[in-house]
Amino acid sequence: QVQLQESGPGLVKPSQTLSLTCTVSGGSISSGGYYWSWIRQHPGKGLEWIGYIYYSGSTYYNPSLKSRVTISVDTSKNQFSLKLSSVTAADTAVYYCAREPLDIVATYFDYWGQGTLVTVSS
Amino acid sequence: EIVMTQSPATLSVSPGERATLSCRASQSVSSNLAWYQQKPGQAPRLLIYGASTRATGIPARFSGSGSGTEFTLTISSLQSEDFAVYYCQQYNNWPLTFGPGTKVDIK
Repeated sequence: QVQLQESGPGLVKPSQTLSLTCTVSGGSISSGGYYWSWIRQHPGKGLEWIGYIYYSGSTYYNPSLKSRVTISVDTSKNQFSLKLSSVTAADTAVYYCAREPLDIVATYFDYWGQGTLVTVSS
Repeated sequence: EIVMTQSPATLSVSPGERATLSCRASQSVSSNLAWYQQKPGQAPRLLIYGASTRATGIPARFSGSGSGTEFTLTISSLQSEDFAVYYCQQYNNWPLTFGPGTKVDIK
């Protein structure tokens, strides 16, 4: 059974960089076959896909966040990470990492982490 | 970007009754549509993908239908554990986008 677990600071100051890591257990990121994504949910709101990374390092980001997002992977630790720069209060959200089965195009998210709340405040 | 809309925003249903949730895409997404269930304080759970294929372990009372721009999630007989928020998600085009959700609550 694949499990994903987010970790990182729960409080980030405005203009700083939000950094989160997702640790995957029960399966290897480097085995391929999946995209590894970040998704966020503003308090009481819907879901916003941030971007994905493949084990090879190839990425694709939501154009709405592309200028501020970097997703990286560390296959030796079976982890992937999110960095979001120049944060504002509008970036306050629950951040989820999720697995996306690989297909010709995008797919759906079959496993999710429990989510971690990140608050942007001074 | 494909915009997803869902209706109604809230659906009040009695246990044992049927619930029908709608999802509409701003342009055709073929059958590249998934449904998720989210309970308070939990991550979304995949229910349906490919518009109509139940994910592993999902009870048969959940069914999905539709293609193109109009989709439906039906819960045939609501159980107490089904009261939650339901989201649709298209994966036909980047960026992946979700609907705003339908809350199913107890009547």
